[in-house]
Amino acid sequence: AQKVTQAQTEISVVEKEDVTLDCVYETRDTTYYLFWYKQPPSGELVFLIRRNSFDEQNEISGRYSWNFQKSTSSFNFTITASQVVDSAVYFCALSPWNDKIIFGKGTRLHILP
Amino acid sequence: NAGVTQTPKFRVLKTGQSMTLLCAQDMNHEYMYWYRQDPGMGLRLIHYSVGEGTTAKGEVPDGYNVSRLKKQNFLLGLESAAPSQTSVYFCASSLDPGQPMTYEQYFGPGTRLTVT
Repeated sequence: AQKVTQAQTEISVVEKEDVTLDCVYETRDTTYYLFWYKQPPSGELVFLIRRNSFDEQNEISGRYSWNFQKSTSSFNFTITASQVVDSAVYFCALSPWNDKIIFGKGTRLHILP
Repeated sequence: NAGVTQTPKFRVLKTGQSMTLLCAQDMNHEYMYWYRQDPGMGLRLIHYSVGEGTTAKGEVPDGYNVSRLKKQNFLLGLESAAPSQTSVYFCASSLDPGQPMTYEQYFGPGTRLTVT
């Protein structure tokens, strides 16, 4: 079965703290794509990153970093030195080559000033 | 560039009424998608299209129909609305050279639909 689990429903941290959002996936396909999207309070979803199953390199983009580990089927997202503007719902998604895209249920992140 | 736009932004329907949601994109993307977002459920794919004149079922297609008569437009229809279709509906498009759903998607602002 294809599945995406974001076990953290809601997280609150104080501004400037680091925070990691977990994403665990299941798929039978050997070729697949993983994504993270951000949904700020305005409601529109914004693409953050795409990773294919053959590229396990970690990625850093400013304060954002992603850790992809095929051995544990995880694709975790870390925000360093969080800011209030990072408050949003974050979705992890899996797109297997031979099946349709599946989104996790999302993690609501509150950054407290 | 407007990106992906959705019409209307809000709508209230009575059970049994019908309506059509319009999605338009100006990025010349081949692939378009309709999702629904319910509290605690994430996004679920309703239908998608890999090009003008084509449509395919997603994860939760029942109760909905779609059409893609023009490349830039993707319409989602509810023939007989039910309270279970109360949701926020998002349209998206992507370039996807090859396999659909393997590249980033660009989302519209959403349509909040309430069925009473």
